[in-house]
Amino acid sequence: AQSVTQPDIHITVSEGASLELRCNYSYGATPYLFWYVQSPGQGLQLLLKYFSGDTLVQGIKGFEAEFKRSQSSFNLRKPSVHWSDAAEYFCAVGEGTGFQKLVFGTGTRLLVSP
Amino acid sequence: NAGVTQTPKFQVLKTGQSMTLQCAQDMNHNSMYWYRQDPGMGLRLIYYSASEGTTDKGEVPNGYNVSRLNKREFSLRLESAAPSQTSVYFCASSEAWTGGGGYTFGSGTRLTVV
Repeated sequence: AQSVTQPDIHITVSEGASLELRCNYSYGATPYLFWYVQSPGQGLQLLLKYFSGDTLVQGIKGFEAEFKRSQSSFNLRKPSVHWSDAAEYFCAVGEGTGFQKLVFGTGTRLLVSP
Repeated sequence: NAGVTQTPKFQVLKTGQSMTLQCAQDMNHNSMYWYRQDPGMGLRLIYYSASEGTTDKGEVPNGYNVSRLNKREFSLRLESAAPSQTSVYFCASSEAWTGGGGYTFGSGTRLTVV
């Protein structure tokens, strides 16, 4: 069974600094990978997804992620963080072809300092 | 553009009481899911419905039942609530095909069992 590891529980970044959130997955075949963001008291919103093709994918709100098969990683990046990016971020991997059931990591909480 | 609608948003139950969480989607998605979110544990799948007329257990089904009422609606029932079921519950929906666009989440139900 596949799994997702987000090794950082909390990360604090200064406003305007760059951001990288780590995600490692375990899956035998080519995975379907996702990043979601959850603002306080809200549901999860899809930031970006990777299925195949170009390993660098662009998402909403200026986020991007790079799929690295050799490292089993799908790290999320943003060049310049804004205070409104403070939220919890979840990486997820799709399980199987056809019907898709997602397995989520435990999340990374991003704090943005002035 | 309602997306996924969950009711109620908040609920307090006494131990042993029962209740049903309602979920409806208007995106004509085939698949629907119920997750619970607990601090430090990410999202854990309770039950899912790959298509209308089918339901299956997820990772943590004990103490819950579900009904896929029609293509739009997927309800979660707690027959005899326990304090361990205090959590935030999320409903989600998706297309059920390879390369699907990930999940669309509702805004959650915060349940407290005292």
